[in-house]
Amino acid sequence: GQNIDQPTEMTATEGAIVQINCTYQTSGFNGLFWYQQHAGEAPTFLSYNVLDGLEEKGRFSSFLSRSKGYSYLLLKELQMKDSASYLCAVRDSNYQLIWGAGTKLIIKP
Amino acid sequence: IAGITQAPTSQILAAGRRMTLRCTQDMRHNAMYWYRQDLGLGLRLIHYSNTAGTTGKGEVPDGYSVSRANTDDFPLTLASAVPSQTSVYFCASSEGGDPDTQYFGPGTRLTVL
Repeated sequence: GQNIDQPTEMTATEGAIVQINCTYQTSGFNGLFWYQQHAGEAPTFLSYNVLDGLEEKGRFSSFLSRSKGYSYLLLKELQMKDSASYLCAVRDSNYQLIWGAGTKLIIKP
Repeated sequence: IAGITQAPTSQILAAGRRMTLRCTQDMRHNAMYWYRQDLGLGLRLIHYSNTAGTTGKGEVPDGYSVSRANTDDFPLTLASAVPSQTSVYFCASSEGGDPDTQYFGPGTRLTVL
């Protein structure tokens, strides 16, 4: 079967750095996405990785290792507004997105 | 309108009733999707449409039907609602190409009693 694993919940301090990990086992791989979802709202696109390595976009970076079936999302200079769930999704061989259950990130002052 | 809209925002429905969730996008995206999101689970694909006039089944299609008469609209129908269909429903669209990012509507919170 197909599986995306993420930690259920993480806590970090305002101004700090946090890394959210995602491991996957899917039938095929055609890219990995990270989305942010605030409580009661829709998921919004953060980043996309299809090749190994790091993609940087402001305070957010995403890393991919296809050989290890592993990605992480790195959030720097955390702000209170970063409190949200972070969803990892992999596009499989059928070109459909398989979603992890999400990691709820709690930011403390 | 800009982006994707969904209606209603929320609904309480008696079991056995028929319900249609509406989704409209103004981005002229070819592909559209319906997901459900339940606590502790990832988003699960119900149905999708790669282009107007075509639809396909996702991971959890049973009890749901869709149609795609034009580019903009992609309604989801529950023919006879059951309590297990209580969920938050998200509609999404994508323009194709690479990376074919999906953009989501605000969601419909449905409770079936």
